[in-house]
Amino acid sequence: KNQVEQSPQSLIILEGKNCTLQCNYTVSPFSNLRWYKQDTGRGPVSLTIMTFSENTKSNGRYTATLDADTKQSSLHITASQLSDSASYICVVKGAGNKLTFGGGTRVLVKP
Amino acid sequence: DTEVTQTPKHLVMGMTNKKSLKCEQHMGHRAMYWYKQKAKKPPELMFVYSYEKLSINESVPSRFSPECPNSSLLNLHLHALQPEDSALYLCASSQDASGSYKTGELFFGEGSRLTVL
Repeated sequence: KNQVEQSPQSLIILEGKNCTLQCNYTVSPFSNLRWYKQDTGRGPVSLTIMTFSENTKSNGRYTATLDADTKQSSLHITASQLSDSASYICVVKGAGNKLTFGGGTRVLVKP
Repeated sequence: DTEVTQTPKHLVMGMTNKKSLKCEQHMGHRAMYWYKQKAKKPPELMFVYSYEKLSINESVPSRFSPECPNSSLLNLHLHALQPEDSALYLCASSQDASGSYKTGELFFGEGSRLTVL
């Protein structure tokens, strides 16, 4: 069964600090992996999309890594800002157009 | 223009009402999607339209009826809903649904917050 597991479920960090979110998946075959940011009550916004051959991809203060061998990805947030408070969802695209969503990590940045 | 526009943003309806959610995109995308999202849960796929034809129905109850009048518009007609149908309904679009597009990146709208009384 295709699954995407994210950890931690939630975390609190102080403004200016870094944090790393984890995503483990069992989706096969693998097409690509996406990280979305979702503010409360709003639609998800894409941060990065990574294919099999990509190990690292950055979008501003967000850096995603992918290890296709171990089927793990991480999202690193550098120098967190209050606006980073949101849910971060890992989504893996498998065969055809099938997307498997992770449960998300809720991040709260405190001043 | 990389927007997916959803209306209304908020909707409150009784269990006997008939209402519709609307979604519009002008990116030339040929695949459009409806997702349902409960609080603190990831979005759950409901329907996929590919080239204006319904290609996926994830066993959604018939009280939800999708419609794709043209390649830019997607509606979700609601009738005889239950309180447990209260959720955020998200529309999304992508270049196509065949998997042939390089990444199949999904663009989401802001959502319609539905409350069923």
